Amino acid sequence: TQLLEQSPQFLSIQEGENLTVYCNSSSVFSSLQWYRQEPGEGPVLLVTVVTGGEVKKLKRLTFQFGDARKDSSLHITAAQPGDTGLYLCAGDVSGTYKYIFGTGTRLKVLA
Amino acid sequence: GAGVSQSPRYKVAKRGQDVALRCDPISGHVSLFWYQQALGQGPEFLTYFQNEAQLDKSGLPSDRFFAERPEGSVSTLKIQRTQQEDSAVYLCASSSYSSGKGEQFFGPGTRLTVL
Repeated sequence: TQLLEQSPQFLSIQEGENLTVYCNSSSVFSSLQWYRQEPGEGPVLLVTVVTGGEVKKLKRLTFQFGDARKDSSLHITAAQPGDTGLYLCAGDVSGTYKYIFGTGTRLKVLA
Repeated sequence: GAGVSQSPRYKVAKRGQDVALRCDPISGHVSLFWYQQALGQGPEFLTYFQNEAQLDKSGLPSDRFFAERPEGSVSTLKIQRTQQEDSAVYLCASSSYSSGKGEQFFGPGTRLTVL
């Protein structure tokens, strides 16, 4: 069974702080996506990483795909209350049509 | 419409009742997914359609769960004889990629509560 473990599970920080969320697996993925989900809504795609070692930046968010394509991280610089939400990673299971979603990291940024 | 829509948004069922959940994907999207999301968890894959063909139903938890997409657009997830453990948010997502890979656009979900 392929699993994506995310850590930490919960994170509550003050506005302006930096944070990193991790997504780890023992399996190799063809690509990995990061989503953010707000209450009562579906997940919204933030980024897709496809190459081992790849780093992508989206304003204050930096995403990295591990060299072995088994893990990924999301770093947020100077967090803002608008960053609050459930962050999900999702791995592309090669040879299938499915994505496996991680266990989620619930972030709360306090003003 | 501009995005994926799902109906109803909320459904309360008594244990043993049958329910039907509807998904309207983005027009022209070939791929459609159903996921089940328990409270505070990530979505879990249920099934995948490419147009009207159900190519993967490996995530359906039991034979009480049935999904269809007869004309390759609207999809319905049906749960027969609902049980309390079926309580969850059911998410639908569509994608323009025929491989099923690439950006998925999610609907807001249907929150099912089984009493």
